Amino acid sequence: GENVEQHPSTLSVQEGDSAVIKCTYSDSASNYFPWYKQELGKRPQLIIDIRSNVGEKKDQRIAVTLNKTAKHFSLHITETQPEDSAVYFCAGGTSYGKLTFGQGTILTVHP
Amino acid sequence: GAVVSQHPSRVICKSGTSVKIECRSLDFQATTMFWYRQFPKKSLMLMATSNEGSKATYEQGVEKDKFLINHASLTLSTLTVTSAHPEDSSFYICSARSSGTTWVTDTQYFGPGTRLTVL
Repeated sequence: GENVEQHPSTLSVQEGDSAVIKCTYSDSASNYFPWYKQELGKRPQLIIDIRSNVGEKKDQRIAVTLNKTAKHFSLHITETQPEDSAVYFCAGGTSYGKLTFGQGTILTVHP
Repeated sequence: GAVVSQHPSRVICKSGTSVKIECRSLDFQATTMFWYRQFPKKSLMLMATSNEGSKATYEQGVEKDKFLINHASLTLSTLTVTSAHPEDSSFYICSARSSGTTWVTDTQYFGPGTRLTVL
């Protein structure tokens, strides 16, 4: 089955800096890679996703890159704000199939 | 759109009792829902895939007789924790994908979760 590894487990940045979270996956059949943000006590919310037919996707301050050859994908948040503080999860799987989640990254943005 | 609800949000029960958790897609149809378990400050662990009108598919290591899943309609899946024990205490969260006739997506939308505490 799929195995998704996520790093770092915690990330602390100053407001305005960039944050990068990296994930690797094991199953070459995986073609769908979403990222979720989970605030304390709340449900995970999809923030961006990428499919294996593209190498990069951007949505305002958030971008995701995918390297299929190396089997890794990354989340990039620019101009971080305190409200970006949360736990971020990457996931990998097949489109319309099940997802395997990474271990999560606790992002703290200091004002 | 794409709202998923769960009920109850919190439940406390005695050891040995059964607890039912409901997951509903409020504004879309979902032939497939997923049940996850999340420990404090940990990741989401998939327990099973709930399929409307058929048996659920359980992940390795998840006891199907302990965690009963019923997906009786296109908007409702239930998870029943049978003969609950303190080690079953956890945060249970469901997700759903829209698969109706008008809108199909591979995105999983999550419910707010249910905090189960077994005394």
